[in-house]
Amino acid sequence: AQSVTQLDSQVPVFEEAPVELRCNYSSSVSVYLFWYVQYPNQGLQLLLKYLSGSTLVKGINGFEAEFNKSQTSFHLRKPSVHISDTAEYFCAVSVGSGGYQKVTFGIGTKLQVIP
Amino acid sequence: GAVVSQHPSWVICKSGTSVKIECRSLDFQATTMFWYRQFPKQSLMLMATSNEGSKATYEQGVEKDKFLINHASLTLSTLTVTSAHPEDSSFYICSARDAGRQSSYEQYFGPGTRLTVT
Repeated sequence: AQSVTQLDSQVPVFEEAPVELRCNYSSSVSVYLFWYVQYPNQGLQLLLKYLSGSTLVKGINGFEAEFNKSQTSFHLRKPSVHISDTAEYFCAVSVGSGGYQKVTFGIGTKLQVIP
Repeated sequence: GAVVSQHPSWVICKSGTSVKIECRSLDFQATTMFWYRQFPKQSLMLMATSNEGSKATYEQGVEKDKFLINHASLTLSTLTVTSAHPEDSSFYICSARDAGRQSSYEQYFGPGTRLTVT
């Protein structure tokens, strides 16, 4: 079975500073990796995903993530955060193919941008 | 595109009553929908996978008789919480996969339904 570990439950960062949200996963098979953002009392919105190809993935809102197979990591980064980036961020791993897919989410990292 | 709606967005009900939550894919067909539950300050826990025209697949520990799932069409899945109790209070989120874009492995999430059982 696959699992996802988000190492930081909360990350405070000053506005315009860079940020990295860490994510490690474990799986015995090939995986697809995702980062989602959740604003208060809302559903999840996809930030970016890694399916194959280039290990550096660029997403919406200036976020990017790098897939590192040897370290089984998929850390999320942004060079300069904005107040509006304050939200909860979930890393997720998906296994399966065709019509079946199961997604496992990490516990989430709350990003607090300080003005 | 790829919008998923949920109704209602929040509901308060009395203990012992049943509540139905709808999940709709508005601009695509979804052969597979997923139902998640999220407790405060916790991650999403998959409850069940809903397949159009067939029985839902429930995750271990989820009572299928308590959480009834129906996926009667390619755009609608419903979750009914039967005989709700205060411990069922939670944030329920559905997601859907676009039947025409299986290779994207992406799920589109609804905005969630906040259930409070008094």
